[in-house]
This record gives sequence, C-alpha cells and structure tokens, in this order.
Amino acid sequence: GQNIDQPTEMTATEGAIVQINCTYQTSGFNGLFWYQQHAGEAPTFLSYNVLDGLEEKGRFSSFLSRSKGYSYLLLKELQMKDSASYLCAVRDGPVSATNKLIFGTGTLLAVQP
Amino acid sequence: DVKVTQSSRYLVKRTGEKVFLECVQDMDHENMFWYRQDPGLGLRLIYFSYDVKMKEKGDIPEGYSVSREKKERFSLILESASTNQTSMYLCASRLSPDSSYEQYFGPGTRLTVT
Repeated sequence: GQNIDQPTEMTATEGAIVQINCTYQTSGFNGLFWYQQHAGEAPTFLSYNVLDGLEEKGRFSSFLSRSKGYSYLLLKELQMKDSASYLCAVRDGPVSATNKLIFGTGTLLAVQP
Repeated sequence: DVKVTQSSRYLVKRTGEKVFLECVQDMDHENMFWYRQDPGLGLRLIYFSYDVKMKEKGDIPEGYSVSREKKERFSLILESASTNQTSMYLCASRLSPDSSYEQYFGPGTRLTVT
C-alpha cells in the first residue's frame, strides 16, 4: 500500500530550529516534495528532492534518504509567520503523463514567541 | 506568476443538488488536478487530467465526475451532492509531468452540503 507518515503537530520557539520528519512507503518513488499551507490558504511549494542528500534554500532545507524512505524539512531562525501546516508528498511513479503525488496528512507547526 | 483560480471560495448546497466547481489556470499547464482536503486525512486526489478531454481517476472518484474541454479549465461535478462531500476542494495545475515541476494550487472552495 501507499503510506506517508508525519507528526500531527509540533511546537517551537521563535528564533529556534525545527525539524519535521516524513517517512514513506510507496509502490514507486520519483521525487519528494514539501509544501507549506497557512490556515485557510492554498499549499505553496517549498522544496523538491529526488536524489539523496540535502537541498538548501534560504532558511529552509530538505533532506532525503531513499534507502530509508525518509525525509525531513529543516526550518532555521523560526519566525511567527512560519506557523503553518507542512505537507510531505511523494511522486509515486515514473515521469509520465499519469503520475501523481501522494500527500501525507501534514504537520501543524506552531511557533511561539 | 502562475495563477490558479477557483470559481467560489465558499459554497453551500443542498443534498441531491448538482454542483459544479470550476478551476482556471493561466499558464498553459498540461496537467490539472482536483483534491479534497479533510482534517486528519490530508489531501486526497479525486481526478486529474493530463490533456484536454483526457482524465484519470484518482484515489476517491466515487460520486464525482470531471470535464476538461479547454486546456485552461478543469471542472469538478458532484452529480448529486451528499453531506459526506462537505469538504475543502483544491484545484492544482502542473506544467508537465517532468519530475522537477511542482503543482500550483488554487485558493480552494469550501463546500458545505446540508
């Protein structure tokens, strides 16, 4: 079956670092995406990993280990505006017209002063 | 800037009504998607379309149908709305299936069926 696991909720302090984990078990794998979704808004793209290792983009970094079926999103220098849900999504098949994303249920991050 | 728009932000319908949700993208994207988002269940794919007049079932197509007559427009149809279809509906589009391209989401339609 297809399964993507993330913690339901996390709390962190402004200025700190937080790591949001995602583990997946899917029939195929061709890339992992992270999205940010503020309450009542659309998800917006944060990062994409297809090879093992760390991808850095400003205060946000994303890591992938394909052998372990594991990814994390690292947020540094947390700001209040980072309070949002973070969605992990896996592309489950080869690059073809019919491939699609499988989403985890999301991690709700609350940043406290 | 890619823009994905949805016809309504909020919609209230009665059980048994036929409901149309429309999505338009302005970036000539090939692929379009309809999801529903429910607390504790995350985003679940209802239908997607990889080209005009082409469609594929997602994970939860029962009770829904779709139409894509023009490249920029993808419609979700609830033939006979039921209370268990009360949800947030999100449309998304993607330039192509190339692995590095992400999906762009519309603002969502919160549908309540009474």
